Amino acid sequence: NAGVMQNPRHLVRRRGQEARLRCSPMKGHSHVYWYRQLPEEGLKFMVYLQKENIIDESGMPKERFSAEFPKEGPSILRIQQVVRGDSAAYFCASSSGQRDEQYFGPGTRLTVT
Amino acid sequence: RKEVEQDPGPFNVPEGATVAFNCTYSNSASQSFFWYRQDCRKEPKLLMSVYSSGNEDGRFTAQLNRASQYISLLIRDSKLSDSATYLCVVNSGTYKYIFGTGTRLKVLA
Repeated sequence: NAGVMQNPRHLVRRRGQEARLRCSPMKGHSHVYWYRQLPEEGLKFMVYLQKENIIDESGMPKERFSAEFPKEGPSILRIQQVVRGDSAAYFCASSSGQRDEQYFGPGTRLTVT
Repeated sequence: RKEVEQDPGPFNVPEGATVAFNCTYSNSASQSFFWYRQDCRKEPKLLMSVYSSGNEDGRFTAQLNRASQYISLLIRDSKLSDSATYLCVVNSGTYKYIFGTGTRLKVLA
């Protein structure tokens, strides 16, 4: 039973390019969360999605960032026109219910040069 | 006041020692509580859920004190491999999980 999968594990982008991060939740999980973590800092909530619906995107910058969780396929976090400040580790987590344990993927480390 | 507060540490303890961390939360309506462990540059891994009656898993014991609004994690017979950052997570009863900033533990040989 595979856990939460994320790819790519490492992503290097030049300023102005687009970054696309993918997350496949654990089997049977329909709740997906995206978090961002800067070095030596805590996890910051970005967005919460259920299949085909964005439930809460209050932690996500209004510009350049978007997320989706289509009926088929992984959840995608998209960052357009990346800037150096977007460099961070982006973790995806999934759960089977709103109050249940979350399980994290290995993360995508984005470096913007 | 932060919603979830943890002492950042680091807690430096010798192998074999017993160490305890506390985590306080501000929302009295909080319903679910968890401890995660995060190693450097890795994802958080679920250590244990915290139930009202408390729970134990080997050398690890977690307790919940609703009256004082804190949860605790006790590690007995510390191992070098226990060195990590321990994250306290509180769920308010909806989909919101609030993460503490973590407590760093270093177990010394």
